[in-house]
Amino acid sequence: AQSVSQHNHHVILSEAASLELGCNYSYGGTVNLFWYVQYPGQHLQLLLKYFSGDPLVKGIKGFEAEFIKSKFSFNLRKPSVQWSDTAEYFCAVIPPLNNNDMRFGAGTRLTVKP
Amino acid sequence: DAEITQSPRHKITETGRQVTLACHQTWNHNNMFWYRQDLGHGLRLIHYSYGVQDTNKGEVSDGYSVSRSNTEDLPLTLESAASSQTSVYFCASSDPGVPTDTQYFGPGTRLTVL
Repeated sequence: AQSVSQHNHHVILSEAASLELGCNYSYGGTVNLFWYVQYPGQHLQLLLKYFSGDPLVKGIKGFEAEFIKSKFSFNLRKPSVQWSDTAEYFCAVIPPLNNNDMRFGAGTRLTVKP
Repeated sequence: DAEITQSPRHKITETGRQVTLACHQTWNHNNMFWYRQDLGHGLRLIHYSYGVQDTNKGEVSDGYSVSRSNTEDLPLTLESAASSQTSVYFCASSDPGVPTDTQYFGPGTRLTVL
């Protein structure tokens, strides 16, 4: 079955460490890609999105993601995490020819130690 | 400011009862969605609607129904609640005119079925 995979279920980092969260998808063709963040007790918020153009996408709060088509990947990065980045991060894909049917990965829980 | 609200925020019910979760958005978006969030599964699409009188089944639609009588509301009904439907439910909306199809999420409803 086609899917969205987030390989890290729980990542623990110290403040100022660099972050990279993996996301791979198995859909061929043109896809729309998203990263959402869910802070404790809050609803999902959009971090960044990619649909075409520059494969390096800048988002809010210093996050960025790189779309590598040949690897079917859309990894999320941040050079220096803060305690306030503690949250759950979800990668999501809108497959080709299926507008608005967004498929989510299982999520990665990030804990940043002060 | 435009927003998307859900009610109730928390609900406890018994097996076999009918339950309706409300979703109201003031974005004037045509597209609305219901997801459930379970540990290890991320978000899974239950039902979605592209406009008034339009409803479609998502990945995990069994036991759920929706109706769309106006643009602002998409209530989700559990016809006969089961313990397997204990979950956190998120409503979302998007504007089909926006190429990136960004979905905006509500705060969620935590449903417990005893």
